[in-house]
Amino acid sequence: EPEVTQTPSHQVTQMGQEVILRCVPISNHLYFYWYRQILGQKVEFLVSFYNNEISEKSEIFDDQFSVERPDGSNFTLKIRSTKLEDSAMYFCASLLSDTQYFGPGTRLTVL
Amino acid sequence: AQSVAQPEDQVNVAEGNPLTVKCTYSVSGNPYLFWYVQYPNRGLQFLLKYITGDNLVKGSYGFEAEFNKSQTSFHLKKPSALVSDSALYFCAVRDRGGSNYKLTFGKGTLLTVNP
Repeated sequence: EPEVTQTPSHQVTQMGQEVILRCVPISNHLYFYWYRQILGQKVEFLVSFYNNEISEKSEIFDDQFSVERPDGSNFTLKIRSTKLEDSAMYFCASLLSDTQYFGPGTRLTVL
Repeated sequence: AQSVAQPEDQVNVAEGNPLTVKCTYSVSGNPYLFWYVQYPNRGLQFLLKYITGDNLVKGSYGFEAEFNKSQTSFHLKKPSALVSDSALYFCAVRDRGGSNYKLTFGKGTLLTVNP
């Protein structure tokens, strides 16, 4: 059964560094998403992506964040200059038939 | 704005007993409703959804949920709990009229099934 995959599973970085989180959505899906979950808190929507452009973004998704689908299979989330409060689990999801299917997540730790 | 409330942070049940995890929602239009489960150090796994039709929906692993429009609820149920059902359960909603299908999640309910 096809699955959403994410790499790396865990990323440790220093404050102010750039990180790129990678996702491979399920191949015939058309909508892609990033969510994050700060430890102990609810899962929060960051951004949705369709037809090679952002369709909606949340207040969290400020200028430090960007997404792209560089090669038709990968879907990346870039944080340009990480802050301590960016430490969280980041989930990628893709959509088929009204259902979002989530990847296993990348745990980002900013020191 | 859409929102989801899961009033219980934690639910404890004995193995073999029925379980209920509660969820209420608020959307401007008609809802699409979802339940996801998260095992330790794992991602979110889709359990079931309500889109339209029968108010009682059945999903994976013997779980079911009942959509109640008048009470704006979508409680998750299982007739006989297993120890392996112990996990974090999230209810999510999206507005049927939305164009990008973003989900709004509740804060999660930790289900513990005791042997």
